[in-house]
Amino acid sequence: KNQVEQSPQSLIILEGKNCTLQCNYTVSPFSNLRWYKQDTGRGPVSLTIMTFSENTKSNGRYTATLDADTKQSSLHITASQLSDSASYICVVSAKRNDMRFGAGTRLTVKP
Amino acid sequence: ETGVTQTPRHLVMGMTNKKSLKCEQHLGHNAMYWYKQSAKKPLELMFVYNFKEQTENNSVPSRFSPECPNSSHLFLHLHTLQPEDSALYLCASSQGTSTYEQFFGPGTRLTVL
Repeated sequence: KNQVEQSPQSLIILEGKNCTLQCNYTVSPFSNLRWYKQDTGRGPVSLTIMTFSENTKSNGRYTATLDADTKQSSLHITASQLSDSASYICVVSAKRNDMRFGAGTRLTVKP
Repeated sequence: ETGVTQTPRHLVMGMTNKKSLKCEQHLGHNAMYWYKQSAKKPLELMFVYNFKEQTENNSVPSRFSPECPNSSHLFLHLHTLQPEDSALYLCASSQGTSTYEQFFGPGTRLTVL
C-alpha cells in the first residue's frame, strides 16, 4: 500500500465550478506536504508547500489544507478554468530526506 | 520553463539499442534526480546525485546507468531495455537533498519496442 493515497483517481467538472482533491498519508515522521500540478507532456510544478504548523495555504485560486492529526490534506480549486485540466500530485516528505509521491488525481475541466 | 531542460523529448528504441537521455539545469542547484513515471502510478525515484556524487540508487536495474559529470548535467544511459521500461522519464533538480523544492524538467517519453 502506498504511503500517500489520493482520491479521486480522476474527476471531470464544468468550467467555473469548484472542486476538492484529497490526499491521505501515513508517512512518518512528517516534514512537509506539497501539491504539484502536472500538465500533459510537462514536468510537475509546485503549487503549495505546507509544514506541520500550517493548516491552510493559498496560491491564487488554489487553497491547500492540512490536518496533521488525521494525516489528511486537500486541494480546493475555485472557479475552475480550462487550463486547470492537469494531474495534481500530492508529495509528502519525511524528516529523513524521504519523499513519497501519490499517484495523482487527473482533473478535466470541460467548457 | 522551469530552468530544467531534457533531451530528447521523445525516444523510440528497440530492445537491443543503446541510447542516452540528457538533463541540464540552469538554476545553480546542487542536487539532481531521475524519476520514472508510468501511467496511473506514483513517480518512482531512480537516482539521486548531490554535488556530482550518487547518494541514492533505488534498486534500479543495471540496464539503466546514470552519469553526472557536473552539478548542471545528468545523463541516463540506456541499454538492453524491456518493453515495460516504456514510461516518462523525468529529471529534477533542487538546492539540496533535504526538503528543498524540486524543479522538474518536461520529461522524455520513452517507448521500447
